[in-house]
Amino acid sequence: SQTIHQWPATLVQPVGSPLSLECTVEGTSNPNLYWYRQAAGRGLQLLFYSVGIGQISSEVPQNLSASRPQDRQFILSSKKLLLSDSGFYLCAWSARTGVATGELFFGEGSRLTVL
Amino acid sequence: SQQGEEDPQALSIQEGENATMNCSYKTSINNLQWYRQNSGRGLVHLILIRSNEREKHSGRLRVTLDTSKKSSSLLITASRAADTASYFCATDILYSGNTPLVFGKGTRLSVIA
Repeated sequence: SQTIHQWPATLVQPVGSPLSLECTVEGTSNPNLYWYRQAAGRGLQLLFYSVGIGQISSEVPQNLSASRPQDRQFILSSKKLLLSDSGFYLCAWSARTGVATGELFFGEGSRLTVL
Repeated sequence: SQQGEEDPQALSIQEGENATMNCSYKTSINNLQWYRQNSGRGLVHLILIRSNEREKHSGRLRVTLDTSKKSSSLLITASRAADTASYFCATDILYSGNTPLVFGKGTRLSVIA
């Protein structure tokens, strides 16, 4: 069966420090991978998605970046965090399909607090 | 901008009552999905309804889709305290394969025992 792992679960970082959140998927190949951010009490904002190794699409201009060094690994990074980067970050994957986007499978999330 | 918008933003009901949440979206879609999120956790997929379907059931869940009005509803019957969570609708874009889902802001459901 497929599983998705996301870490760390919680982190507190000072403004200006770097960030690295990691997500890996097991039990499937060629997944579509996504990073979403959820502000407190809000909906999900798509940050990045990837349909293959090295292929990253950015939805929101910001100081965050994403990389996909391996088929089932997706990393979210920042060189210098801002206060506004605080939030709940969710990694997700979906199977590669034809026309329609299928079900998303989410990790348990990473709660980032920037002080 | 958000593709889907849920209504109401928050809903509080007694255990045993039915809960209805609505979702409106803007563009033509291939399918619409509903997800649940317990506080501080990841989202869990509940049900997917295709654009050529009008109604779908899964256990105590009933989803309807009206593509002419670009709207959907999620009905949870005989609610339980364990149904307390946030519920989100999500849509893709018609004929745009593998595009990311766009989520609404969610409805926070509280079921009081």
